[in-house]
Amino acid sequence: EAGVTQFPSHSVIEKGQTVTLRCDPISGHDNLYWYRRVMGKEIKFLLHFVKESKQDESGMPNNRFLAERTGGTYSTLKVQPAELEDSGVYFCASSQDRHSGNTIYFGEGSWLTVV
Amino acid sequence: AQSVTQLDSHVSVSEGTPVLLRCNYSSSYSPSLFWYVQHPNKGLQLLLKYTSAATLVKGINGFEAEFKKSETSFHLTKPSAHMSDAAEYFCVVSDRPLGTGKLIFGQGTTLQVKP
Repeated sequence: EAGVTQFPSHSVIEKGQTVTLRCDPISGHDNLYWYRRVMGKEIKFLLHFVKESKQDESGMPNNRFLAERTGGTYSTLKVQPAELEDSGVYFCASSQDRHSGNTIYFGEGSWLTVV
Repeated sequence: AQSVTQLDSHVSVSEGTPVLLRCNYSSSYSPSLFWYVQHPNKGLQLLLKYTSAATLVKGINGFEAEFKKSETSFHLTKPSAHMSDAAEYFCVVSDRPLGTGKLIFGQGTTLQVKP
């Protein structure tokens, strides 16, 4: 069974450009999460989808970040325009059933560097 | 609000000696606690989880953790370190009972294993 996959694994962009990160959750997982770790800080929650609906987006830092999950399958996280402080690693995770406390599985992360 | 504090940012042990990674938590209800590990250039992997069952939790690769309510601790231990254990370890609490909420990460502890 394939795990959570993320693309691209690494990205270097200039300040002001746009980057789109993609996440493919484990097949059949309704719950999809985005987390990120900026340099020197702890990993922090960004948002949570249940199928195609945003369940909790309290961690999104500002309106330069847009997450979508059309059709309830893969998700994208767009940063537009990117700023230097957006550099870090963005993790996607998925789980099967939120109410039963199923294990949350993480991808390997998308490393973003804004120069 | 839920929170976790990892008491050491770096721990260094010799191969074959015991490992102790310390974590204290704060929670307004019975918490769900986890330890995740991240090896270099890899994703986050679940080591073990506590969700109000047995207080001594056994995980993968010989790791275990003990939930101590009186001390609000959830320390991670392993009797004998292997070189392959060198990684960054995260103590994590869920913001809702039964592990159904978003995850709140500690700052991480980097484990170095010396030959």
